[in-house]
Amino acid sequence: QKEVEQDPGPLSVPEGAIVSLNCTYSNSAFQYFMWYRQYSRKGPELLMYTYSSGNKEDGRFTAQVDKSSKYISLFIRDSQPSDSATYLCAMRGGGSNYKLTFGKGTLLTVNP
Amino acid sequence: GAGVSQSPRYKVAKRGQDVALRCDPISGHVSLFWYQQALGQGPEFLTYFQNEAQLDKSGLPSDRFFAERPEGSVSTLKIQRTQQEDSAVYLCASSLGTGGWSNQPQHFGDGTRLSIL
Repeated sequence: QKEVEQDPGPLSVPEGAIVSLNCTYSNSAFQYFMWYRQYSRKGPELLMYTYSSGNKEDGRFTAQVDKSSKYISLFIRDSQPSDSATYLCAMRGGGSNYKLTFGKGTLLTVNP
Repeated sequence: GAGVSQSPRYKVAKRGQDVALRCDPISGHVSLFWYQQALGQGPEFLTYFQNEAQLDKSGLPSDRFFAERPEGSVSTLKIQRTQQEDSAVYLCASSLGTGGWSNQPQHFGDGTRLSIL
């Protein structure tokens, strides 16, 4: 079993839909949780960065972390065709632990 | 530039050749990371530099892989005697702080897509 599990999709939704993306993990030492967006042939772009459990909102994006369930989510409201990309969850431990562990990524297509 | 810059963007090499991949981190960023991303997978950690010191190379797949950052800014990832399984996207990331003791996030370049024939 990999440390971070993410359904690779693909996920296809109509424009304006609410999108829910999620990851589960097994390492209880993870404390920092990130969502990156990766367009085709581009590098990962940081979307959300959260520490420990709770919610964080930034515009149309909301990140949720539930450490007790080892489950993180990213919600995208009013999805747009420009949101079509691969979404990667990533996480790392606290203290001196700098290595990011990524999920496989979920390919999202938002249809106009 | 404002972001992490990597060159070349694409590299094709024959099996057995040596290749060198370059990374220019964001100016002032102390930490630099290399990741390998296979097709359809998330990035996987290769190595970490704090300034010019290579503090962790535990993710390098074999001794054919070598990375350096001699002046604490630009970094080069070198792969000797390339094999077909080395085909992947090689991503460089940098962050402002000193590795894990900072809560600064890692910012990625667009990568070098390496194809070994």
